[in-house]
Amino acid sequence: DIVMAQSPDSLAVSLGERATINCRSSQSVFYSSNNKNYLSWYQQKPGQSPKLLIYWASTRESGVPGRFSGSGSGTDFTLTISSLQAEDVAVYYCLQYYSTPRTFGQGTRVEIK
Amino acid sequence: QVQLQESGPGLVKSSETLSLTCAVSGGSIDSYYWSWIRQPAGEGLEWIGRIYSDGDTNYNPSLKSRVTLSVDTSTNQFSLKVISVTAADTAVYYCAREHTAECQGGPCPFYFDSWGQGVLVTVSS
Repeated sequence: DIVMAQSPDSLAVSLGERATINCRSSQSVFYSSNNKNYLSWYQQKPGQSPKLLIYWASTRESGVPGRFSGSGSGTDFTLTISSLQAEDVAVYYCLQYYSTPRTFGQGTRVEIK
Repeated sequence: QVQLQESGPGLVKSSETLSLTCAVSGGSIDSYYWSWIRQPAGEGLEWIGRIYSDGDTNYNPSLKSRVTLSVDTSTNQFSLKVISVTAADTAVYYCAREHTAECQGGPCPFYFDSWGQGVLVTVSS
């Protein structure tokens, strides 16, 4: 199984400031045949199901605000919230879909400082 | 916009069988991969397994011996059964659609693009 490790486990950021979440996979999730990274990001607010934010490591899902961006390749990836808003308080998860079983990071809790 | 809705008993006795159904609306169940994912309270997400609309399945090896997935295209539903449950199976169970596209001559599953709201299943002793 590919193990996904996120850092930090939690972070507190002031409103309007940048939040950065890291995700590392135990093996590369880059597929050279199509030049894509099989990595997505999800946002889970309290009492809700996860919501897709980013797929292919950097493609924003339709309707997701532009302040969310994804980057990285191979084994190291980053989700950035460029200007934190109150509604962004949530737990964020990365997911690898390079292989089965699908595996998630342990989650990063984002709070307002 | 496809919508998914889980249903089933919220309380299951230890050693018995957990059974859940996911109803798909706003779109066809055909030509997609459909997954079950669970989340114990305060913990992370665990993928249980997936089924294609033709009945092809993949399971997480950690649960494979106890899990069965099935699909009913006539009712646009798919189902999960977990046998011999214990307290460790207490969790919110989600159904989800995997973005499915053509690759290497057949359909391939990718990221989860739609989720149900989840259903809490508690295993009691």
